[in-house]
Amino acid sequence: GIQVEQSPPDLILQEGANSTLRCNFSDSVNNLQWFHQNPWGQLINLFYIPSGTKQNGRLSATTVATERYSLLYISSSQTTDSGVYFCAVGNYGNNRLAFGKGNQVVVIP
Amino acid sequence: DSGVTQTPKHLITATGQRVTLRCSPRSGDLSVYWYQQSLDQGLQFLIQYYNGEERAKGNILERFSAQQFPDLHSELNLSSLELGDSALYFCASSVGVSGMETQYFGPGTRLLVL
Repeated sequence: GIQVEQSPPDLILQEGANSTLRCNFSDSVNNLQWFHQNPWGQLINLFYIPSGTKQNGRLSATTVATERYSLLYISSSQTTDSGVYFCAVGNYGNNRLAFGKGNQVVVIP
Repeated sequence: DSGVTQTPKHLITATGQRVTLRCSPRSGDLSVYWYQQSLDQGLQFLIQYYNGEERAKGNILERFSAQQFPDLHSELNLSSLELGDSALYFCASSVGVSGMETQYFGPGTRLLVL
């Protein structure tokens, strides 16, 4: 199956700082999603982004499918951004999502 | 709110018991997926149903089974429970089966086996 690697595994940010999270994957994909798991365990959809760039408020994501990586940018971080960010990928016809181990982000005031 | 509902939110049971987790997909979604999140294995795909039929199987134990009903809700049955089955179980749904659609996740059922 597809291997997904996320880096860095842990990140501590001062409130207001910017950060970049990276997701590398081992095969071509037709589905790539970024999630935020909050402290209550809920998985919140951030982006569906198998290629290209998208922005939603202070968050943006870029996927370069030909080079098999995706980046999630968090700008002007807030304490509510704390949690674990997961990258998950899938192929056409293979509906299962393969998840990385996540990026644990802690934003301190 | 993703539109996917799961019940119960929490479940505490004993080893050897059997439990049923329930999921209702988003309105209009025909595919339902089950995932398990544990500390040692991370988030893993278990099984997928599309419009009532099993579509794909992942690392699902033989003690576990699932089904999707005509009204499209799904149930995941876990039997002969072991301590290691303690985990967060997520249901997700999507419109179709191409693998190129967003999967929306429910809030999860937290299972603790004592």
